[in-house]
Amino acid sequence: DAKTTQPTSMDCAEGRAANLPCNHSTISGNEYVYWYRQIHSQGPQYIIHGLKNNETNEMASLIITEDRKSSTLILPHATLRDTAVYYCIAGDSGAGSYQLTFGKGTKLSVIP
Amino acid sequence: DSGVTQTPKHLITATGQRVTLRCSPRSGDLSVYWYQQSLDQGLQFLIQYYNGEERAKGNILERFSAQQFPDLHSELNLSSLELGDSALYFCASSVGFGEPQHFGDGTRLSIL
Repeated sequence: DAKTTQPTSMDCAEGRAANLPCNHSTISGNEYVYWYRQIHSQGPQYIIHGLKNNETNEMASLIITEDRKSSTLILPHATLRDTAVYYCIAGDSGAGSYQLTFGKGTKLSVIP
Repeated sequence: DSGVTQTPKHLITATGQRVTLRCSPRSGDLSVYWYQQSLDQGLQFLIQYYNGEERAKGNILERFSAQQFPDLHSELNLSSLELGDSALYFCASSVGFGEPQHFGDGTRLSIL
């Protein structure tokens, strides 16, 4: 799996958009970009994933650069409940298996 | 609620003992994954099963074993427990390969 690089921490004002960057310069053509978050010690929560095109769901938007070497997760209107560690993961299904390789992620603090 | 159920939520035991952690995947999910999260190692993939068959192994110790039963629930067996095995153990499930994984709330294992 491609290695990803994320900032250690970020702050965001409540109600503003949170933009979380991720660098995955060694990503291969068949590797998706996945975003998960973990609130305190709860189980990681799936947010969104994409391959080439930008994606949007009820939680967030994912913007992937044309060369696929980086991406940005956007939480459009951050709330205090969005305070969590956000993980960007690049991976594919390989030979019939799929495992997530979690890095240290970005600790997002949403400030009132 | 992810739909993945893990039991027990908490487990306290002593060194040298053996424990079994249980996971019921989301309805319809065929893949089950086990992860370990300790303070110093972060989230690490242990093992994956798909429809009863082992598909991938990660950093799983020989003292640990797992299986997935015909009803698709899975058990993670930890034996000869050591203090360093104290951690959160998460189970995740997905429909198939490359599909988003959905995590349970974890089992917190404390070795005294």
